[in-house]
Amino acid sequence: GDSVTQMEGPVTLSEEAFLTINCTYTATGYPSLFWYVQYPGEGLQLLLKATKADDKGSNKGFEATYRKETTSFHLEKGSVQVSDSAVYFCALSTGGFKTIFGAGTRLFVKA
Amino acid sequence: DSGVTQTPKHLITATGQRVTLRCSPRSGDLSVYWYQQSLDQGLQFLIQYYNGEERAKGNILERFSAQQFPDLHSELNLSSLELGDSALYFCASSVEGERGEQFFGPGTRLTVL
Repeated sequence: GDSVTQMEGPVTLSEEAFLTINCTYTATGYPSLFWYVQYPGEGLQLLLKATKADDKGSNKGFEATYRKETTSFHLEKGSVQVSDSAVYFCALSTGGFKTIFGAGTRLFVKA
Repeated sequence: DSGVTQTPKHLITATGQRVTLRCSPRSGDLSVYWYQQSLDQGLQFLIQYYNGEERAKGNILERFSAQQFPDLHSELNLSSLELGDSALYFCASSVEGERGEQFFGPGTRLTVL
């Protein structure tokens, strides 16, 4: 069945460091891919998405490229801030209305 | 603010009791999803409704049930509560045609003592 695997956390970085959170997927068909972010005490919110191969999603300095050949959708940011501390979820949808979420990766950014 | 509302924000109850969580989707969204998030942060899909009909079922216990009403709000009923049911319960909604993108409510934190 369809699945999403993302790197285990927590990830701890200093402010202004480079961030990568790895995400790989298994899916039949051609899924849409998403990154959601959950700030402390809040619900998930969509960070970025890509709907077809080679698309790059970007938002708030975060980027992820849909790589069909490696079935990956890694999240990157060039310079993290303390305010980026949150849990990040990779997710996929193969159409219809079901979305499959990864286990989440907690990011701590130190000042 | 996602436009999805959930009540109550917090709920404390005892084992064996029954509770009802309520969700109002964004205006115009026909799909409602329920998720359980445990302390170890994993997000478990419970159930999905579309325009009043059950569309998909995930890891939902038989003690749990849900429904979506004609005005599209949804309720999640949890009965015979156990300590392990303590978690955050999220509702999300989506628009038909928006492939996979969901809008999450702020959650209800359930504590079973």
